[in-house]
Amino acid sequence: DQQVKQNSPSLSVQEGRISILNCDYTNSMFDYFLWYKKYPAEGPTFLISISSIKDKNEDGRFTVFLNKSAKHLSLHIVPSQPGDSAVYFCAALRSYNTDKLIFGTGTRLQVFP
Amino acid sequence: EAGVAQSPRYKIIEKRQSVAFWCNPISGHATLYWYQQILGQGPKLLIQFQNNGVVDDSQLPKDRFSAERLKGVDSTLKIQPAKLEDSAVYLCASSLDTGQRVFGTEAFFGQGTRLTVV
Repeated sequence: DQQVKQNSPSLSVQEGRISILNCDYTNSMFDYFLWYKKYPAEGPTFLISISSIKDKNEDGRFTVFLNKSAKHLSLHIVPSQPGDSAVYFCAALRSYNTDKLIFGTGTRLQVFP
Repeated sequence: EAGVAQSPRYKIIEKRQSVAFWCNPISGHATLYWYQQILGQGPKLLIQFQNNGVVDDSQLPKDRFSAERLKGVDSTLKIQPAKLEDSAVYLCASSLDTGQRVFGTEAFFGQGTRLTVV
């Protein structure tokens, strides 16, 4: 049972434009969500997070939006840069429980000049 | 601040052989995770430790996989005997969480060990 889903395996965006990566989850008990970026041959690196008491969190060019009723979150990158080309993973957990971090399958973002 | 250290970076073994991976988490991090990432998939949690106790190992194939965390610091993950389908990147991560906070804190990952079983 895939509790965290990223339905778009890949996304291609022109430099300077907005990149929107989507993530859906099925477990309503999740209350903390994270985005990780992964370059080839490296481990995932933390990018940005959001707790369920918020619907938006912003950090520089990165903004994460959470829609709890739809069980959906998205990551916006504005403006996109070639260095943003990587695989992006959405992850979720239940803070009051065993803190098991569940990952989605990832979206490969390619930003071209 | 030193990150999560893993070794080896790469390992190639024949099926039915055994292999072990080592992880040294960030100093002071109470929680340690081992993830398996098969090509084209997201990381899948194998086992989670809090200090030296196992919090979750529900997805660990216990007939062939074992893990321990010595003195609540370093950890080793062992596969014996290995199968072809164990070919994956094995990621170790740690987080500061001690179970007392309200919301989650991010986990920091090592570079991973790429295992190829032939």
